[in-house]
Amino acid sequence: QVTLKESGPVLVKPTETLTLTCTVSGFSLNNARMGVTWIRQPPGKALEWLAHIFSNDEKSYTTSLKSRLTISKDTSKSQVVLTLASVDPVDTATYYCARILPLRDGYNQFDYWGQGTLVTVSS
Amino acid sequence: DIVMTQSPLSLPVTPGEPASISCRSSQSLLHSNGYNYLDWFLQKPGQSPQLLMYLGFIRASGVPDRFSGSGTGTNFTLKISRVEAEDVGVYYCMQALQTPTFGPGTKMDFK
Repeated sequence: QVTLKESGPVLVKPTETLTLTCTVSGFSLNNARMGVTWIRQPPGKALEWLAHIFSNDEKSYTTSLKSRLTISKDTSKSQVVLTLASVDPVDTATYYCARILPLRDGYNQFDYWGQGTLVTVSS
Repeated sequence: DIVMTQSPLSLPVTPGEPASISCRSSQSLLHSNGYNYLDWFLQKPGQSPQLLMYLGFIRASGVPDRFSGSGTGTNFTLKISRVEAEDVGVYYCMQALQTPTFGPGTKMDFK
């Protein structure tokens, strides 16, 4: 059974660095081409893709936040970590991680999602 | 980045009636392999998004056949033949051809 669970602080102060962890089970981060992605959703707003990482350590970031985002993985712990530097109240959102199932010709499917974790940025 | 738009943004429906959502992309999502890299997700109230359709028209595992996806290039449609109570929520289209981008969402609820 594939599961993903996000964890991290509920409240972060402006200018601080937010660190979120996605702990996965039911699949290995070593699986050929398997990956994990992070997506966020401000309250009442739409989904925004943030970053992804694959088993071969290939990484990609959304252009608008690239300078502030870092994604990494610890295969032994089955965890993917996302950091967002210099947070601002506009970064308040529910942050989701999802499994990437690579299918054909570069198509990546987001087939399993975590429950999400709400992070509030406020002083 | 590819920009995704959806219409309508709000869709009041009647149980048992059909429903349709349109999604458009700023660039063609048609891959050289003949598939459109367009997915549909449903976010039910208080839940995480769940995959409904992928590659434009393929239903994800467990998705009832009252859901269908169509379209190619830059114009796509999600149709529900007969809306049921469990279908309410926000529907998002997402392009997977380049770095992923989502549409603004279509909120479907009962009249």
